[in-house]
Amino acid sequence: DQQVKQNSPSLSVQEGRISILNCDYTNSMFDYFLWYKKYPAEGPTFLISISSIKDKNEDGRFTVFLNKSAKHLSLHIVPSQPGDSAVYFCAAPTDSGAGSYQLTFGKGTKLSVIP
Amino acid sequence: DVKVTQSSRYLVKRTGEKVFLECVQDMDHENMFWYRQDPGLGLRLIYFSYDVKMKEKGDIPEGYSVSREKKERFSLILESASTNQTSMYLCASRSAYQPQHFGDGTRLSIL
Repeated sequence: DQQVKQNSPSLSVQEGRISILNCDYTNSMFDYFLWYKKYPAEGPTFLISISSIKDKNEDGRFTVFLNKSAKHLSLHIVPSQPGDSAVYFCAAPTDSGAGSYQLTFGKGTKLSVIP
Repeated sequence: DVKVTQSSRYLVKRTGEKVFLECVQDMDHENMFWYRQDPGLGLRLIYFSYDVKMKEKGDIPEGYSVSREKKERFSLILESASTNQTSMYLCASRSAYQPQHFGDGTRLSIL
């Protein structure tokens, strides 16, 4: 059963407009969420995170919104730039015991920003 | 800056071979992970380790094993490679409550 879902495999946006990437989760025990960005032939890089005690976290052009009642989070990129074209993964930690956790990833959304 | 180094960017092996993928991190992280990435399936966890000589199965451990003899090194082993193990393999590491850092990946082709 997929606990973290990204239902849009791809998204195309014009340069300068807003990109909105969505993520839904099923496990109400999740209390922290992360977004990673991945370019082809490179490993994913951490982008931004949010704790469940907040409903918004902002870092420059990137803002993540969390709606706990809907079990939904979204990543907003404003304004979108061609360099933002990448695959974006949503992730949440699950307790793996022994004081550690592992990340459960969504399947990713490929964002294409058109110049 | 954290560096996670995977020994090969591209690798081609034959069916039935034993394949070793190596990963080294330079930040004394306790936790290390191996994932594979396939189109439409996202990142799937194969194995992870939270300490030297400790290992835990992830979501898709079948056909794989791991070794962690030193803290900085985490090896993924394909015991008898099969064509369905053709994939991009990603290693990651992190300290206790920090985001994971990934290597650049190894694109493995099994012929």
